[in-house]
Amino acid sequence: GDSVTQMEGPVTLSEEAFLTINCTYTATGYPSLFWYVQYPGEGLQLLLKATKADDKGSNKGFEATYRKETTSFHLEKGSVQVSDSAVYFCALRRSNDYKLSFGAGTTVTVRA
Amino acid sequence: DGGITQSPKYLFRKEGQNVTLSCEQNLNHDAMYWYRQDPGQGLRLIYYSQIVNDFQKGDIAEGYSVSREKKESFPLTVTSAQKNPTAFYLCASSIEVTGETDTQYFGPGTRLTVL
Repeated sequence: GDSVTQMEGPVTLSEEAFLTINCTYTATGYPSLFWYVQYPGEGLQLLLKATKADDKGSNKGFEATYRKETTSFHLEKGSVQVSDSAVYFCALRRSNDYKLSFGAGTTVTVRA
Repeated sequence: DGGITQSPKYLFRKEGQNVTLSCEQNLNHDAMYWYRQDPGQGLRLIYYSQIVNDFQKGDIAEGYSVSREKKESFPLTVTSAQKNPTAFYLCASSIEVTGETDTQYFGPGTRLTVL
């Protein structure tokens, strides 16, 4: 079945550091890929998405590129801020399917 | 402002009691979903609905029930049959279930604690 594997956290960084969160997936066909962010005590917010190979999703300084050859969708940000402290979820959805499959989430803490 | 609202934010229940969680959206979305989140885990789908008066079981539907009498509302009932109901519950909606406009948008969640 479909699955998403994220790097385990927690991840602790200093402000202005470079952030990478690895995400790899297993799925048949060409799924759509998503990154969601969850701030403390809140629901999930869509951060970015990509729907086909080599697409790059970007938002709020975050980027992720859909790599079909390595089945990956790693999230990156060049210079993090304290306000980026949150839990980040990678997810996929197969074409013509309703179901989102989520990774376990990666907790990121940015210190001033 | 358009969005998804869930109430209450925190809910406490005694063992053996049923409880209903509210989810309302004013986005005019056809599809709605309920997920459960446990610490250190990803989200798991409980139920989803593609259209009014229709809903389907997700991966962990046992001990839960839903209704979809109105497009904007998708309440979830956690019954006494749910063996481990303490969790964070998230409601989501999308324009449709599959296709180009299938991105799911989430509400703020309800934290349910069974005492």
